[in-house]
Amino acid sequence: DGGITQSPKYLFRKEGQNVTLSCEQNLNHDAMYWYRQDPGQGLRLIYYSQIVNDFQKGDIAEGYSVSREKKESFPLTVTSAQKNPTAFYLCASSLGPGDTEAFFGQGTRLTVV
Amino acid sequence: GQNIDQPTEMTATEGAIVQINCTYQTSGFNGLFWYQQHAGEAPTFLSYNVLDGLEEKGRFSSFLSRSKGYSYLLLKELQMKDSASYLCAVAPRESGYALNFGKGTSLLVTP
Repeated sequence: DGGITQSPKYLFRKEGQNVTLSCEQNLNHDAMYWYRQDPGQGLRLIYYSQIVNDFQKGDIAEGYSVSREKKESFPLTVTSAQKNPTAFYLCASSLGPGDTEAFFGQGTRLTVV
Repeated sequence: GQNIDQPTEMTATEGAIVQINCTYQTSGFNGLFWYQQHAGEAPTFLSYNVLDGLEEKGRFSSFLSRSKGYSYLLLKELQMKDSASYLCAVAPRESGYALNFGKGTSLLVTP
């Protein structure tokens, strides 16, 4: 079955450590996105990629980094420079940017301890 | 991000009709999306409006007016399971057509 998979579902990190969140899709989608969601808030765009080997900063990219070496994969690294990393992180993909529905992974809930 | 405004919370009764409004301030986009998100889960796609007017899909309908920068989601025959957040989103040209979301409207359906 085609879909988009995020792992892990829950992640705990010690303050000062980098951590990488996985996002894989087998939908043959060109566009992939990372969002952050805080309680009572909407989704805020961190990074997006419209094609392999290319990505763009979203509204809240500071303290995060991404790579897009393969079409299927768009990992997000939360670095120690991110001041308040505890949040729900959602990855999404779409066939093309902006004109087709986006499919979401199940999300990763990151907690800094 | 874009200025996408929605009411924060709404309450409605089971079996009733509710309209969730969304206003936005961007003109260069292909269409407007509505998503449903239950607590702790990923958003799921509800509707996509490209042209002005009403799109009906079962109990859910969505309306778009580009000239007014306005959309609404209409939910009919409300069920308890419709209690969720409803997110309005556009993919503007100025952000590379990346999907930008409003803060969402939390809908509570009561018996």
